[in-house]
Amino acid sequence: SAVISQKPSRDICQRGTSLTIQCQVDSQVTMMFWYRQQPGQSLTLIATANQGSEATYESGFVIDKFPISRPNLTFSTLTVSNMSPEDSSIYLCSVDGVSGRVTDTQYFGPGTRLTVL
Amino acid sequence: QKEVEQNSGPLSVPEGAIASLNCTYSDRGSQSFFWYRQYSGKSPELIMSIYSNGDKEDGRFTAQLNKASQYVSLLIRDSQPSDSATYLCAVTKAAGNKLTFGGGTRVLVKP
Repeated sequence: SAVISQKPSRDICQRGTSLTIQCQVDSQVTMMFWYRQQPGQSLTLIATANQGSEATYESGFVIDKFPISRPNLTFSTLTVSNMSPEDSSIYLCSVDGVSGRVTDTQYFGPGTRLTVL
Repeated sequence: QKEVEQNSGPLSVPEGAIASLNCTYSDRGSQSFFWYRQYSGKSPELIMSIYSNGDKEDGRFTAQLNKASQYVSLLIRDSQPSDSATYLCAVTKAAGNKLTFGGGTRVLVKP
């Protein structure tokens, strides 16, 4: 498995602002995903981050609200735009395909705990 | 009907006992099945994966899969207080595809 880091680990933001979350992996990976975990809930996939092209969003999530970048095989960002208190969640990135071998096993980063006031 | 369903718990078990967790899924096209453990305030940690019908054992953990019944379970033998966590069942259709998670079962192991 790979070592995955996320920045920031937590943040408190004002409504109407935006926050960009970074996910860094210590080796090249094929697949990167972004999940949201709302308080007391399970994980919901936001989008698959595609290297060099637009992310693939799940139903209920849109690019204007959650723009995603993936400039290379070790890094991705998720921006939460125009935040409201309902965006208060833990945001997690996950990876699959370490060293180019795609399995179906995903490993998660430590998460970013976001609180919107 | 939710795609992946779990009893939310809490499942309270005495130390040393067997904890039995269940998960059902709705999509017959699901191919791979996972159990993640999540401690409070932490990210999910993979503990077991299973792909074929039957049992798979790894230390104190045993995963069981029955595709005909669309059912996957996790047994934790000799439960320890450190096993107290939320256990998430997840399924996927193929390598590189998204994981669909159940709501999680909270397990409390009492000394």
